[in-house]
Amino acid sequence: DGGITQSPKYLFRKEGQNVTLSCEQNLNHDAMYWYRQDPGQGLRLIYYSQIVNDFQKGDIAEGYSVSREKKESFPLTVTSAQKNPTAFYLCASSSLAGGNNEQFFGPGTRLTVL
Amino acid sequence: QQQVKQSPQSLIVQKGGISIINCAYENTAFDYFPWYQQFPGKGPALLIAIRPDVSEKKEGRFTISFNKSAKQFSLHIMDSQPGDSATYFCAASRVGGFKTIFGAGTRLFVKA
Repeated sequence: DGGITQSPKYLFRKEGQNVTLSCEQNLNHDAMYWYRQDPGQGLRLIYYSQIVNDFQKGDIAEGYSVSREKKESFPLTVTSAQKNPTAFYLCASSSLAGGNNEQFFGPGTRLTVL
Repeated sequence: QQQVKQSPQSLIVQKGGISIINCAYENTAFDYFPWYQQFPGKGPALLIAIRPDVSEKKEGRFTISFNKSAKQFSLHIMDSQPGDSATYFCAASRVGGFKTIFGAGTRLFVKA
């Protein structure tokens, strides 16, 4: 089956710890994205990547880092510098062909800081 | 301006009724307007999308109406069903662009 997988589904973190959220896609998409979802605020873009070894900051990149060493993988690290990390994190991918930029989302990771 | 403003924040509709969600944008460079549907605990999925060269697009019970001069577009769900209960996001982007701007979302509840 083609799609996007995210792991873990639930993640608990103590204050001061870095955590890494996994995102893998087998859709052969060039572009990948990380969004943060908070109640009543829609989806806010954290980082995005158009090609391997290249990525750009989104609207709320502070306290987060990413890497894109493989086309299929785009992990997100939530660092201790992120002051309010408790949220639902969504990874997405899109094909650059066709031009419409339809985004395919993974099932999400719910991060809770204890 | 990059914002997409969405209303209402929440909506309760009787089974068989019409659900209407509205969105407005400011950036006239946007030329692709999708709607995403999200069920609790899941990621959003594309429901229907429109480009500004048409004023309406219909897919089954779902219709997008687009008003280019007013910079507004809306989603109409005809014959709403309890299975339609979800959060709906409007969005806007540029064809060929990489960033999509999402509205804040509308939580729809369809009463049986």
